[in-house]
Amino acid sequence: DVKVTQSSRYLVKRTGEKVFLECVQDMDHENMFWYRQDPGLGLRLIYFSYDVKMKEKGDIPEGYSVSREKKERFSLILESASTNQTSMYLCASIPGTEAYEQYFGPGTRLTVT
Amino acid sequence: KNQVEQSPQSLIILEGKNCTLQCNYTVSPFSNLRWYKQDTGRGPVSLTIMTFSENTKSNGRYTATLDADTKQSSLHITASQLSDSASYICVVLPLSSASKIIFGSGTRLSIRP
Repeated sequence: DVKVTQSSRYLVKRTGEKVFLECVQDMDHENMFWYRQDPGLGLRLIYFSYDVKMKEKGDIPEGYSVSREKKERFSLILESASTNQTSMYLCASIPGTEAYEQYFGPGTRLTVT
Repeated sequence: KNQVEQSPQSLIILEGKNCTLQCNYTVSPFSNLRWYKQDTGRGPVSLTIMTFSENTKSNGRYTATLDADTKQSSLHITASQLSDSASYICVVLPLSSASKIIFGSGTRLSIRP
């Protein structure tokens, strides 16, 4: 079974703090994604990585950066957390370019106070 | 305009009853259309995946249909159980790029005993 894990299920941070969310997948997938999910808006793509050290901006990259130093690990960084970044963050991965199925992590519920 | 629209936004039914969730999309051409189930506080889990040439796919009590002419998909749940309470998300993968996966905002289904 593919496993996608995220470093925290719940996180509470203060405004202005730097926040790291980590995602690890164990199936050697090339492609990894970070989404945020807000009520009524569905999943919105923040960043996408198609290989180590390669990244692409998604629909809402502002206020976020990412790092992919190893194939299995994709990190989302909030340089200076703000209250409007309170959300559910979901990591996903898919194998190769034949994107038949995305495998999602359990999500991180981030609250910025 | 959202390219994947789901209806209803929320639905409450009694345990044991059937229900049908709708997904209308404008994405074209597309590689595949998927239905995901997302339990509260969890990441989405794939239920069915259909390519544009398929018109039905079943997974236990879940049956998805696809009408490429009308650009509609539906997810039918038979003999609902309390564990079916979740959000159901319709997802379309355009032919062009894995990074352009488009998510519907989901239908929140509640099963009452």
